[in-house]
Amino acid sequence: SQKIEQNSEALNIQEGKTATLTCNYTNYSPAYLQWYRQDPGRGPVFLLLIRENEKEKRKERLKVTFDTTLKQSLFHITASQPADSATYLCAPSGAPGNTPLVFGKGTRLSVIA
Amino acid sequence: NAGVMQNPRHLVRRRGQEARLRCSPMKGHSHVYWYRQLPEEGLKFMVYLQKENIIDESGMPKERFSAEFPKEGPSILRIQQVVRGDSAAYFCASSPARGSNQPQHFGDGTRLSIL
Repeated sequence: SQKIEQNSEALNIQEGKTATLTCNYTNYSPAYLQWYRQDPGRGPVFLLLIRENEKEKRKERLKVTFDTTLKQSLFHITASQPADSATYLCAPSGAPGNTPLVFGKGTRLSVIA
Repeated sequence: NAGVMQNPRHLVRRRGQEARLRCSPMKGHSHVYWYRQLPEEGLKFMVYLQKENIIDESGMPKERFSAEFPKEGPSILRIQQVVRGDSAAYFCASSPARGSNQPQHFGDGTRLSIL
């Protein structure tokens, strides 16, 4: 069955540093990979989508990579801020039409001032 | 442009009662998804609907749970004869089109507590 692993349940980093979150998947060949942010008591918010033929995608301070050989995506937040503290979820997804999304359990990031 | 609206935000039911959770998708979105999230667990897909049709209910428990998305009005997730194990946060999401390349827009969930 499909399995998604996100590194460590919690990640603490110093403000200004780069946070790197990992998403590994097995028994799966997703065509896309989505990243979401979830704050306590709120629903997930979409951040970025990367396609299997894209190596890297950027949006402001965010960068996502997608390595289909390693079956891994990395999510980077540069110049991290306390406001970046949240749980980040990855969701590999299949070919077009093959919904639903399967989410990892998430990594809880805390940026310490 | 209002986002996905879910109500109620909190719902308390006693064992054996029925729970009805409502979801109004974003304007222009005809695809609705329901997820369940337990404490310290990830989001688990339950059901995917497109106006009046259930497209995928592979994550829905076979008994007591049902979902609908009528032509007019919100999508409803219905849980009959609730049990303690149904306590969870239930999230609804919507998208404008079908496909795994579509970002999903989530509501802030309904937190269901069973006494």
